[in-house]
Amino acid sequence: GENVEQHPSTLSVQEGDSAVIKCTYSDSASNYFPWYKQELGKGPQLIIDIRSNVGEKKDQRIAVTLNKTAKHFSLHITETQPEDSAVYFCAASPGSARQLTFGSGTQLTVLP
Amino acid sequence: NAGVTQTPKFQVLKTGQSMTLQCAQDMNHNSMYWYRQDPGMGLRLIYYSASEGTTDKGEVPNGYNVSRLNKREFSLRLESAAPSQTSVYFCASVQGAGPETQYFGPGTRLLVL
Repeated sequence: GENVEQHPSTLSVQEGDSAVIKCTYSDSASNYFPWYKQELGKGPQLIIDIRSNVGEKKDQRIAVTLNKTAKHFSLHITETQPEDSAVYFCAASPGSARQLTFGSGTQLTVLP
Repeated sequence: NAGVTQTPKFQVLKTGQSMTLQCAQDMNHNSMYWYRQDPGMGLRLIYYSASEGTTDKGEVPNGYNVSRLNKREFSLRLESAAPSQTSVYFCASVQGAGPETQYFGPGTRLLVL
């Protein structure tokens, strides 16, 4: 089955700096890669996703890049703000599957 | 719309007790999922239901049973709780057969003593 590794497990940045979280996956059939944000005491919420037919996708301060050859994808957050502090999860799914395999999560702390 | 709701929010059980975690969605979604979340291990799939009347095992199904009661409701049952089942449990739903955006409930925090 699919295996997703996520790094780093914790990340602290100064407000206004950029943050990068990286994930690798093992199943070359995976073609859907979402990122979820989980605030304290809440369920995860989708913030951005990318499919394997594109290499990069942006949504305001958030971007995701995908390298299918190397089997890795990354989340980039620019101009970080205190409200970006949360746990972020990457995930991967083969197109034929109804399942997502999640990474272990990254606790992002934005210091004021 | 309430989205995905879960009950209870928090529960304490003694080893060997049983309980059912309830999940309901009002988005007319076809697929529903149960995950457990443990520190440093992300979200692991317990069971899922691609449509009403069908259920399939996920990564960690041992010790659990599920029921897709109707299109809206998907329950998770622990027949004989063990301390290893102490976790936060999340229910999620997807409109189609996936892979698509999963909408998560607020979670149930379970402590087994």
